[in-house]
Amino acid sequence: KAGVTQTPRYLIKTRGQQVTLSCSPISGHRSVSWYQQTPGQGLQFLFEYFSETQRNKGNFPGRFSGRQFSNSRSEMNVSTLELGDSALYLCASSTAAGGTTDTQYFGPGTRLTVL
Amino acid sequence: AQSVTQPDIHITVSEGASLELRCNYSYGATPYLFWYVQSPGQGLQLLLKYFSGDTLVQGIKGFEAEFKRSQSSFNLRKPSVHWSDAAEYFCAVMGYGGSQGNLIFGKGTKLSVKP
Repeated sequence: KAGVTQTPRYLIKTRGQQVTLSCSPISGHRSVSWYQQTPGQGLQFLFEYFSETQRNKGNFPGRFSGRQFSNSRSEMNVSTLELGDSALYLCASSTAAGGTTDTQYFGPGTRLTVL
Repeated sequence: AQSVTQPDIHITVSEGASLELRCNYSYGATPYLFWYVQSPGQGLQLLLKYFSGDTLVQGIKGFEAEFKRSQSSFNLRKPSVHWSDAAEYFCAVMGYGGSQGNLIFGKGTKLSVKP
C-alpha cells in the first residue's frame, strides 16, 4: 500500500504570494491532518479534515486554510506569504476509526521557503 | 492548556548503551500519549502509543515507554542503542476534540550515537 504523498516536496515563493500544497492520504484513510514544523516553534497542529469537513483547527491566522475532497485528498493554502511561513509542512492520514487501533501516518513533507 | 515538555534538547549516547528520553505532559484528563521519530529529511514515524491499561508500552524497533500518572511523565527507553537510532524524537499528546488528528508535540530531543 502506498504511503502518504505530498506534492511538491520543495517550493520557493516570495513574500505576498500564495501557495497551495497537496496531500494524498493512504488509500482508505478518511482523516487528513496538517502540521507546520519550524526550528523555533517545533511541530504545530494546523487543522484536521474528516469526510470533507474540518474537524479540528489549530491556532493559526486565517491566511492558512485547507480543504478535503471526496477522495480524501487534501490541499492546504497559505495566502499573503510571510517570511515566517518558511517551514516544513507535514501531512498525516489515518482511518479515523477511533480507539486504540487508529494510527496517524505522516508524509515526507513539503519544504516551503519564503524569500 | 495541554502541553508537552521534553527537557533534553540533545542527547549523545554510545552505541550499545541504554537510552531514556524524558517527556512530561500537562493535560486535564486521561491523556493519549505518543512517541514519534523523525530521521533527517523524512516524515514522522510512530514508535508507540498509550491509551489506557498497562502503563508499560512496547513499540517498534525495541523501544518501550512507561506512563506514570503521578509524575505526568511518559519516558521512552531502549536497553541498547544502535547507530541507526540517531534521529529526532518527539513526544506528543492528543489534543482536546476527541480526535487523534490533533496532536500537541514537544520540541523534540535529538539523539546522537557515538560509535
